[in-house]
Amino acid sequence: GQQLNQSPQSMFIQEGEDVSMNCTSSSIFNTWLWYKQDPGEGPVLLIALYKAGELTSNGRLTAQFGITRKDSFLNISASIPSDVGIYFCAGQRGNKLVFGAGTILRVKS
Amino acid sequence: SQTIHQWPATLVQPVGSPLSLECTVEGTSNPNLYWYRQAAGRGLQLLFYSVGIGQISSEVPQNLSASRPQDRQFILSSKKLLLSDSGFYLCAWSTPTGTIYFGEGSWLTVV
Repeated sequence: GQQLNQSPQSMFIQEGEDVSMNCTSSSIFNTWLWYKQDPGEGPVLLIALYKAGELTSNGRLTAQFGITRKDSFLNISASIPSDVGIYFCAGQRGNKLVFGAGTILRVKS
Repeated sequence: SQTIHQWPATLVQPVGSPLSLECTVEGTSNPNLYWYRQAAGRGLQLLFYSVGIGQISSEVPQNLSASRPQDRQFILSSKKLLLSDSGFYLCAWSTPTGTIYFGEGSWLTVV
């Protein structure tokens, strides 16, 4: 089936540092979504991207929909301890979403 | 505003027993509904999705089934649970543009 390649798998960074993660696919998607999941909870939507080339910010988060429609990145600026969790990208086509395997973010205070 | 709720939040069931997880959505009409399973805190696997009442698409052949008896109700079931059915189950709904919102999740442990 179709896959999303999300990288890195995990990150251990210093508080205050900027973070970048990305997803790539061999297929085109109409929508890219980024979610964050805290332990034991459902994923929460961070940013939704609907147009190729779109760059969207949500506080310290910035995400872009790649111009080829096959990739997306998420940046977190000035990370803080509460940024820890698992970040998932998702590509949408039709009624279905395909998720990346997730990026585990750990922040050292 | 729209809300999604699923229950129970945690469940411990013996092997061979039945399962019923329920999910309801409020504040929207004719949503697309989904059941995902997440193992080991990583990777969301789509199990079922539904575009309308009585319409169920299965993504992965397995020991589970889904039903949508009402527009905003989605149920995940099993007649006989297996150990491998243990995991974190997430119900979700999506807007017409595809943005998907998740429920709180249900932890199932089969013993």
